[in-house]
Amino acid sequence: SAVISQKPSRDICQRGTSLTIQCQVDSQVTMMFWYRQQPGQSLTLIATANQGSEATYESGFVIDKFPISRPNLTFSTLTVSNMSPEDSSIYLCSVRGGDLYNSPLHFGNGTRLTVT
Amino acid sequence: AQSVTQLDSHVSVSEGTPVLLRCNYSSSYSPSLFWYVQHPNKGLQLLLKYTSAATLVKGINGFEAEFKKSETSFHLTKPSAHMSDAAEYFCVVSDLAGGYNKLIFGAGTRLAVHP
Repeated sequence: SAVISQKPSRDICQRGTSLTIQCQVDSQVTMMFWYRQQPGQSLTLIATANQGSEATYESGFVIDKFPISRPNLTFSTLTVSNMSPEDSSIYLCSVRGGDLYNSPLHFGNGTRLTVT
Repeated sequence: AQSVTQLDSHVSVSEGTPVLLRCNYSSSYSPSLFWYVQHPNKGLQLLLKYTSAATLVKGINGFEAEFKKSETSFHLTKPSAHMSDAAEYFCVVSDLAGGYNKLIFGAGTRLAVHP
């Protein structure tokens, strides 16, 4: 299974600032996914990032707030812009490789963000 | 539209007793179903997956789940709980409607294991 490294593992940020989260995978993958896990909640898909095209955002998430880059098949970044305390969450990068139907998601350890 | 319901937000068992975590799903197409576990302050780990092969799926750490299409269920079981099983468990579904790309997570079940 893919090994996914996320940076930073945690951060405390001031409201109004932005944070960029990096996700590095040890193998080439077609799709990378960004999820948010709010405190005590389940996971919600933010967007799907394909290399060479714009990310596809889920309902309730917009590019201006969560810009995503996908410069190659092993790397992606998610930026949380103009942060407010409501953005305090764990942000997780994940990948599915190979046959989409049979491939589960593999997750990084996440970035725990606290906005003060 | 695909959806998943975990019927219990909290389950508490004694060490050595069976574990049952219940999951019902809704899907218009043949679904893929997964169970993930999240230990405190840890990442998500795949326990097992169902993708239209055998309906009884065996996973890691002694867990297994049975896909029952007639009941639209995918309950997670383990014969004997260990203290180390205490964690949050997520049932997950994906199907053709979402291109199998979009995984829908249940709300989670927190499993407590008492000595």
